[in-house]
Amino acid sequence: QKEVEQNSGPLSVPEGAIASLNCTYSDRGSQSFFWYRQYSGKSPELIMFIYSNGDKEDGRFTAQLNKASQYVSLLIRDSQPSDSATYLCAPYSNGGGTSYGKLTFGQGTILTVHP
Amino acid sequence: SAVISQKPSRDICQRGTSLTIQCQVDSQVTMMFWYRQQPGQSLTLIATANQGSEATYESGFVIDKFPISRPNLTFSTLTVSNMSPEDSSIYLCSSSGTGGETQYFGPGTRLLVL
Repeated sequence: QKEVEQNSGPLSVPEGAIASLNCTYSDRGSQSFFWYRQYSGKSPELIMFIYSNGDKEDGRFTAQLNKASQYVSLLIRDSQPSDSATYLCAPYSNGGGTSYGKLTFGQGTILTVHP
Repeated sequence: SAVISQKPSRDICQRGTSLTIQCQVDSQVTMMFWYRQQPGQSLTLIATANQGSEATYESGFVIDKFPISRPNLTFSTLTVSNMSPEDSSIYLCSSSGTGGETQYFGPGTRLLVL
């Protein structure tokens, strides 16, 4: 089982719709969860992070975390063509030793928002 | 968030040579990391650059191939040694605060090895 699993997509949604991106992880020691957006040819850009179970909203983005199910998701409301990118899920582990500060990235979900 | 710059932004190198990539952060940061992103793939952590001590390498990465320096709290270098075409990737530097959590990335160095 991969440490972090994401549906690679591509996920295609119409403009104005809600895009739902999912991520499961295997390390129960993961403390925090980060979502990065990566445009083609660019470096990853941090868009959301969540520490606690439940929902966290920031503008059009909502992150949802369920530690018992080892599941984290990202909802993008009112999707825009400019949201078309690869979305990377990254659980963070502060397990100490060599894993301190380590982010483990999923393979990413390609999102396409079409007009 | 810290602003991170990398040099060079891209390079084309011959196999068997080495390239040193520089990473500069505009403020002092506790932790700096080096990642590799191979074509069409996600990010893989190479190592944590520790200030004043040897870097901590992830499984599959060794110091002889990827020597790292971190002379102070704002600067680090990654050398890709004895390059082969398989080393063609994007190399990314990131930094974070004390907790090592929220990491921000530099623009990356695109390396092509012929």
